[in-house]
Amino acid sequence: GAVVSQHPSWVICKSGTSVKIECRSLDFQATTMFWYRQFPKQSLMLMATSNEGSKATYEQGVEKDKFLINHASLTLSTLTVTSAHPEDSSFYICSALASSGSDEQFFGPGTRLTVL
Amino acid sequence: AQKITQTQPGMFVQEKEAVTLDCTYDTSDPSYGLFWYKQPSSGEMIFLIYQGSYDQQNATEGRYSLNFQKARKSANLVISASQLGDSAMYFCAMREGLEGYQKVTFGTGTKLQVIP
Repeated sequence: GAVVSQHPSWVICKSGTSVKIECRSLDFQATTMFWYRQFPKQSLMLMATSNEGSKATYEQGVEKDKFLINHASLTLSTLTVTSAHPEDSSFYICSALASSGSDEQFFGPGTRLTVL
Repeated sequence: AQKITQTQPGMFVQEKEAVTLDCTYDTSDPSYGLFWYKQPSSGEMIFLIYQGSYDQQNATEGRYSLNFQKARKSANLVISASQLGDSAMYFCAMREGLEGYQKVTFGTGTKLQVIP
């Protein structure tokens, strides 16, 4: 089956630093990847849709200058949380849509970010 | 208005019994897809089942079946013969439109606990 990896799986950083999270489709090409965040005991909220070779589309209320998304290749999208603050602490999950035409989103295992 | 509503924050079920997790949705788009995902405590999102708005028959995948009542806009998940490993959060989700790149909206989830 299609596999999506995320790195790191967890990260602790100091307030004010930037953190980069990678999302990779391991055995398929993904022209579209999605980034979600999930607060404890809450649902997944879509942050942005990332398309290979073009700018990401951000959902309303998501600061694009704070959450930088780069989708430089068909197998890799990165989310950089710039100048992280404690309120950015969350579980970040990516999903990838196969370029072959399947309608299914394949989810990564998630990255737990804790900002001190 | 909420697009996806899951009214059961938590459910208990006896092992080997069947359980129904409720989901109602709201959309004016005639083309949409409904999903159920399982999220164990480890955090990864596991795809369970999909129902398209034009599908005539209810979707089934092993022990999972989706009770699709289009007129009532409900898409309940039925898990038969519950197992201890079924204990997890369950999310109902909807994609308005049938194209894979279109965004998916998640409900608030139901925490299912299977009792031995």
